[in-house]
Amino acid sequence: DAKTTQPNSMESNEEEPVHLPCNHSTISGTDYIHWYRQLPSQGPEYVIHGLTSNVNNRMASLAIAEDRKSSTLILHRATLRDAAVYYCIGADSNYQLIWGAGTKLIIKP
Amino acid sequence: DAMVIQNPRYQVTQFGKPVTLSCSQTLNHNVMYWYQQKSSQAPKLLFHYYDKDFNNEADTPDNFQSRRPNTSFCFLDIRSPGLGDAAMYLCATSWTRAGANVLTFGAGSRLTVL
Repeated sequence: DAKTTQPNSMESNEEEPVHLPCNHSTISGTDYIHWYRQLPSQGPEYVIHGLTSNVNNRMASLAIAEDRKSSTLILHRATLRDAAVYYCIGADSNYQLIWGAGTKLIIKP
Repeated sequence: DAMVIQNPRYQVTQFGKPVTLSCSQTLNHNVMYWYQQKSSQAPKLLFHYYDKDFNNEADTPDNFQSRRPNTSFCFLDIRSPGLGDAAMYLCATSWTRAGANVLTFGAGSRLTVL
């Protein structure tokens, strides 16, 4: 079965870039990679997604390895409001979302 | 703003007493999902509707049922809640089920079972 693996937690200083890694060595060539984040007591919120090439939006950048076995979510300048659990998700062709366990991002002022 | 609304935000029930959680959406999305999320865990899909087509996950207990009377509303019924059913229940929607589609989540309904 497809599986996504993430570190349990990461710390970063405010206003510095953050790189959140994810391993998804078993996803197929047509599976999208999604990232969502979840603030305390809220539902998950979409951050970014991609298939093969790197993607940018107003929230973050997604760097996908050439072999697609891993990806990195990049927050260019973390703020205290970015403290959340970040989920890396593989979206397969059977309409299944394979969620990672999530990385708790701690931002230090 | 178009959104996904879940009610109630907090629900307390007694062991074995049925409970219904509701979800409404103004996005006109075809797909509505129900997820269960326990403390410090990722959300776990219970089932989803693609329009009127109901899709149950293989490991979803029979104790959990769902109804979608129209495009905008979806309900989660827990027929006989046990202590192990205490969790956050998340409703989400998407335009289709394709891998590129983005999910929009509600704020969740937190269920406590006494």
